[in-house]
Amino acid sequence: GAVVSQHPSWVICKSGTSVKIECRSLDFQATTMFWYRQFPKQSLMLMATSNEGSKATYEQGVEKDKFLINHASLTLSTLTVTSAHPEDSSFYICSASDRGLSGANVLTFGAGSRLTVL
Amino acid sequence: GQNIDQPTEMTATEGAIVQINCTYQTSGFNGLFWYQQHAGEAPTFLSYNVLDGLEEKGRFSSFLSRSKGYSYLLLKELQMKDSASYLCAVRDSNYQLIWGAGTKLIIKP
Repeated sequence: GAVVSQHPSWVICKSGTSVKIECRSLDFQATTMFWYRQFPKQSLMLMATSNEGSKATYEQGVEKDKFLINHASLTLSTLTVTSAHPEDSSFYICSASDRGLSGANVLTFGAGSRLTVL
Repeated sequence: GQNIDQPTEMTATEGAIVQINCTYQTSGFNGLFWYQQHAGEAPTFLSYNVLDGLEEKGRFSSFLSRSKGYSYLLLKELQMKDSASYLCAVRDSNYQLIWGAGTKLIIKP
């Protein structure tokens, strides 16, 4: 089945630094990847849709200059949290869709990256 | 607005059956998904319904009624490892996924 690899799985950084998270589709090409953020005991919040070869589409309220998304190839998307602050501490999850047996565009998620900003 | 409702938390006993309900109001409908998410991990796909009726997959079944805007996930022969959050998500007319807040299922011995 479809596999999405995401790393790092966890990262601790100082306030003001930048952190890059990578998301790779290992056995399929993903023209579109999705980046989610999840705070404790809350549901997934879509941050942006990453499109290969073009600019990402950001959801309302998400700062595109703070959360830089690059989708340079069909198998790799990166999220860079720039000038991170403690309030950016969260669980960031990427996903990509691959057609499952049902014909649905089933989302496959990476393992997630837990970011803690001190 | 678009809305997905599911219970916040449910408790069940090992070996028993539990039904997790999901009701939705969305702009159009292009399928409903159930995902399982263990604490600290990413969600994993469980089921997909686009037509009315019951889809069975092993111990898990999912039901959909589009006219009622209603779905449920049925878990049989509960095991301790089934303790997790169960997320209901609906794809709307723009093919955007709308996520419920998730139902935390606690399994007791």
